[in-house]
Amino acid sequence: QQQVKQSPQSLIVQKGGIPIINCAYENTAFDYFPWYQQFPGKGPALLIAIRPDVSEKKEGRFTISFNKSAKQFSLHIMDSQPGDSATYFCAASTDPYHSGGSNYKLTFGKGTLLTVNP
Amino acid sequence: DGGITQSPKYLFRKEGQNVTLSCEQNLNHDAMYWYRQDPGQGLRLIYYSQIVNDFQKGDIAEGYSVSREKKESFPLTVTSAQKNPTAFYLCASSRTIVRQETQYFGPGTRLLVL
Repeated sequence: QQQVKQSPQSLIVQKGGIPIINCAYENTAFDYFPWYQQFPGKGPALLIAIRPDVSEKKEGRFTISFNKSAKQFSLHIMDSQPGDSATYFCAASTDPYHSGGSNYKLTFGKGTLLTVNP
Repeated sequence: DGGITQSPKYLFRKEGQNVTLSCEQNLNHDAMYWYRQDPGQGLRLIYYSQIVNDFQKGDIAEGYSVSREKKESFPLTVTSAQKNPTAFYLCASSRTIVRQETQYFGPGTRLLVL
């Protein structure tokens, strides 16, 4: 059972556009939601993360919007650039203390391949 | 320069052969992880280790084994029992597993079956 559903699978935008990637989760115990960026042939790198006590977080051109009641969160990239072309993964995890001790892990979405055309 | 190194970048496995993927970190992190990535899929957790001499199975541990004899090193062995080993393997580490610390990833090893 996939616990974090990510959409769309792929996305093409023009330079300057605002791509939006959405994730939905089922486990109400999730309380940490990071986004990772991965370039071809490289390992993912943390881009931005949010906790459910806030509805929005901005870091530079990247914004996470969080809707706790809908169990959804999304990544917006303002003024997108060709260099933003990458695969983006959302993820979620629980506080180890809530999940029964040391049983901690990140659950990843399947990823979105973003292409920003010049 | 602190970071995570994985070797080799590409690895070829013959039928029935065990192969070992190397992962080393100099970040002084306690926790280390192994993930498998298949095309169009997210990252799936194979094994993780909270501390030296301790490791736990992840979601897809069958056909894999690990060891954690040193803090810096967390090698992954893909055994002959893993029938579909072709994938991109990613090692990661975090300062601790007790809190939700950032996971830092290595550059990955691509395993191909001959």
